[in-house]
Amino acid sequence: ETGVTQSPTHLIKTRGQQVTLRCSSQSGHNTVSWYQQALGQGPQFIFQYYREEENGRGNFPPRFSGLQFPNYSSELNVNALELDDSALYLCASSPGETQYFGPGTRLLVL
Amino acid sequence: GNSVTQMEGPVTLSEEAFLTINCTYTATGYPSLFWYVQYPGEGLQLLLKATKADDKGSNKGFEATYRKETTSFHLEKGSVQVSDSAVYFCALSDRNSGGSNYKLTFGKGTLLTVNP
Repeated sequence: ETGVTQSPTHLIKTRGQQVTLRCSSQSGHNTVSWYQQALGQGPQFIFQYYREEENGRGNFPPRFSGLQFPNYSSELNVNALELDDSALYLCASSPGETQYFGPGTRLLVL
Repeated sequence: GNSVTQMEGPVTLSEEAFLTINCTYTATGYPSLFWYVQYPGEGLQLLLKATKADDKGSNKGFEATYRKETTSFHLEKGSVQVSDSAVYFCALSDRNSGGSNYKLTFGKGTLLTVNP
């Protein structure tokens, strides 16, 4: 158990819709990172938040956006969902270099 | 850019067999190296890490040594158990540009199945 929680656990959306995923970081961790894991692949870095500011972004389009709140919890928002957005979305919190992952949210886009 | 290459799976072993999962990396600078494990239907759990050359990370009988000369971080375990069946990911951590925090670059993962 890492202390990182994510909600919801599963979600089904249709193409074109918008989705918000949530993450509560482990106590004392001020950095949250989001990753997308397609089936059978390794996780891909989406972006990272440090003290409520975006601090690095991977190769994802602007329709992927996020927020970090003063308590260091975070949201990932995806607009105009596409079929290829179907994946496991992982949140990781960290006090420094080592990242600790939550259980993930599995998103299915139909 | 940075990249991680893992041996292709799946790997199938009998209980008590010796395990090696190869991992090599390409990176600028001096990354830290990690192994994460993912059990079916779950997120990633940190298995072990090493932050500099010649460091050995170890946990739950698993070991990996940071080899800068061969840019490798192979995972080993002397005697696997059925409960070790999972997907194993090798990853490196590099500093974000302009910041003091890190992002992880992962390999594609190696599925390990251990039979009784």
